[in-house]
Amino acid sequence: AQSVTQPDIHITVSEGASLELRCNYSYGATPYLFWYVQSPGQGLQLLLKYFSGDTLVQGIKGFEAEFKRSQSSFNLRKPSVHWSDAAEYFCAVGALYAGNMLTFGGGTRLMVKP
Amino acid sequence: DGGITQSPKYLFRKEGQNVTLSCEQNLNHDAMYWYRQDPGQGLRLIYYSQIVNDFQKGDIAEGYSVSREKKESFPLTVTSAQKNPTAFYLCASTSSSYEQYFGPGTRLTVT
Repeated sequence: AQSVTQPDIHITVSEGASLELRCNYSYGATPYLFWYVQSPGQGLQLLLKYFSGDTLVQGIKGFEAEFKRSQSSFNLRKPSVHWSDAAEYFCAVGALYAGNMLTFGGGTRLMVKP
Repeated sequence: DGGITQSPKYLFRKEGQNVTLSCEQNLNHDAMYWYRQDPGQGLRLIYYSQIVNDFQKGDIAEGYSVSREKKESFPLTVTSAQKNPTAFYLCASTSSSYEQYFGPGTRLTVT
């Protein structure tokens, strides 16, 4: 079975600083990987996804993520954080065997200092 | 606009009552999912359905039931057998890719 670990429960960065959110996955085959963002009391919005090909993927809102097979990681990055980026971020891995299901990590809550 | 709607946004019930959460999509997606989210936790899969009239249990199906009579609709019933029903419930759907689209969620409070 697949699993996803987001080691950082909370992260605080200053506005304008760079950001990296960590995601490690466990899956026996080539994974489908996703990053979602959730504002308080809202649903999840897809930031970016990796299916195959170029290991550096660009997403919305200036985010990017890099797939590193050797490290089983899919870290999310942004060069300059804006106050509006404060939210909860979820990494997810897709399961091939049934139902297009996703397994989600526990999430990382990002706080942005002015 | 295509999307997923969940209603109501907030729902309050007394302990011992069943309650049904609505989820409708007009994306023409085949698969639909229900997740539960508790504070500080990730999403846990309750039930999913790949086609009409078929659904499977997820990781935490006990105390919940679903139906899938129409492609567009996947209602979730939280029964009195669910020990801790107070949570944020999210519905999602997907087409042939793995990308899931989420509704805005329903916050259920049971007292």
